[in-house]
Amino acid sequence: DAGITQSPRHKVTETGTPVTLRCHQTENHRYMYWYRQDPGHGLRLIHYSYGVKDTDKGEVSDGYSVSRSKTEDFLLTLESATSSQTSVYFCAISPLMGAYEQYFGPGTRLTVT
Amino acid sequence: EDQVTQSPEALRLQEGESSSLNCSYTVSGLRGLFWYRQDPGKGPEFLFTLYSAGEEKEKERLKATLTKKESFLHITAPKPEDSATYLCAVRSNTGNQFYFGTGTSLTVIP
Repeated sequence: DAGITQSPRHKVTETGTPVTLRCHQTENHRYMYWYRQDPGHGLRLIHYSYGVKDTDKGEVSDGYSVSRSKTEDFLLTLESATSSQTSVYFCAISPLMGAYEQYFGPGTRLTVT
Repeated sequence: EDQVTQSPEALRLQEGESSSLNCSYTVSGLRGLFWYRQDPGKGPEFLFTLYSAGEEKEKERLKATLTKKESFLHITAPKPEDSATYLCAVRSNTGNQFYFGTGTSLTVIP
């Protein structure tokens, strides 16, 4: 998976609890992304980062925040998890923005009960 | 609004039976079109990038082509190990997002 790990791989949590997902890369790529994948919707961008401490919102950012304090780590936080955030979350990396392809991690399956 | 539509949603082929998957897109200026393969329980795996109409890329039994409105992923003499979901994505010249289709689930029967 192109030197990308995600943790945890599976998590079950209760509504209202905070949750943090971690993405770690060993490729030294500048760009990192968080997506969620739901049946019938395809992959949808939550947030992305174009450098340390530089982040921006994606298509479905409400209820999520991110942080990037080091090149290799990109954290996704659900401040107060809701059942609608039950999904599979994927991290992706890219050496450059623009036309360049993204490489995806193995995913985190999150269930909010 | 940038949009990607893939068809069919699902496709069952006999081993050796060639076919094509379609990705139709609407973007305000195409910067790139991407094909990915996704196996169950795994992240998408990059296959091809196409940049302009008329471009073609090949990898083993797969060949991707691009026109101004759509892309095709041609699968020649597929094998059971080609069974997966194939995703298409586009990046436009405006904005910073990639837009993904919902994928085509391909099953190749021995």
